[in-house]
Amino acid sequence: DTAVSQTPKYLVTQMGNDKSIKCEQNLGHDTMYWYKQDSKKFLKIMFSYNNKELIINETVPNRFSPKSPDKAHLNLHINSLELGDSAVYFCASSQEGKVGAFFGQGTRLTVV
Amino acid sequence: AQRVTQPEKLLSVFKGAPVELKCNYSYSGSPELFWYVQYSRQRLQLLLRHISRESIKGFTADLNKGETSFHLKKPFAQEEDSAMYYCALAWGYQKVTFGTGTKLQVIP
Repeated sequence: DTAVSQTPKYLVTQMGNDKSIKCEQNLGHDTMYWYKQDSKKFLKIMFSYNNKELIINETVPNRFSPKSPDKAHLNLHINSLELGDSAVYFCASSQEGKVGAFFGQGTRLTVV
Repeated sequence: AQRVTQPEKLLSVFKGAPVELKCNYSYSGSPELFWYVQYSRQRLQLLLRHISRESIKGFTADLNKGETSFHLKKPFAQEEDSAMYYCALAWGYQKVTFGTGTKLQVIP
């Protein structure tokens, strides 16, 4: 009964490939997020979605695109992967007006 | 601009010693502050928020608006407290800024 789950947990891929990371939450929250944690453990918000509407885009490259088929899912698509995209990506969710997000376990992306 | 500063990248303390993880913020509005913890190979999880004025796992944090600080404290460190700690500021509508994190290492 994991609250926020991400798949895959680990992803190793070559430069130039296109990949997706899936995220699902069963908490009934209406806002979901994607965060990137770099090698120095710095955590930065990338996107958030509220009721299928993108409300934050923290100037990430347009190779990254969030896609939300429904309120419980927010998938992250990455095109033309670059070495610098290697990081741990965290999905999170929260209820509108309550920013105390529940986080997924993270996806470690390694681009070779 | 909104900013969260955690000046220490690494904090090492002996078991049983007091712990204080520093966090300063910059925000012109009314802040909502949080502490998150990430244990080794585990997900990031909310530790506490200032509006709750709660104590979780012996940790407390008081918002000091005059000093714009939200330091995390624990009187007696335990080995299981070793983790990465992130201070975070919620502002605007669904916007969050995280600090760069402090790694707490409790030495047995």
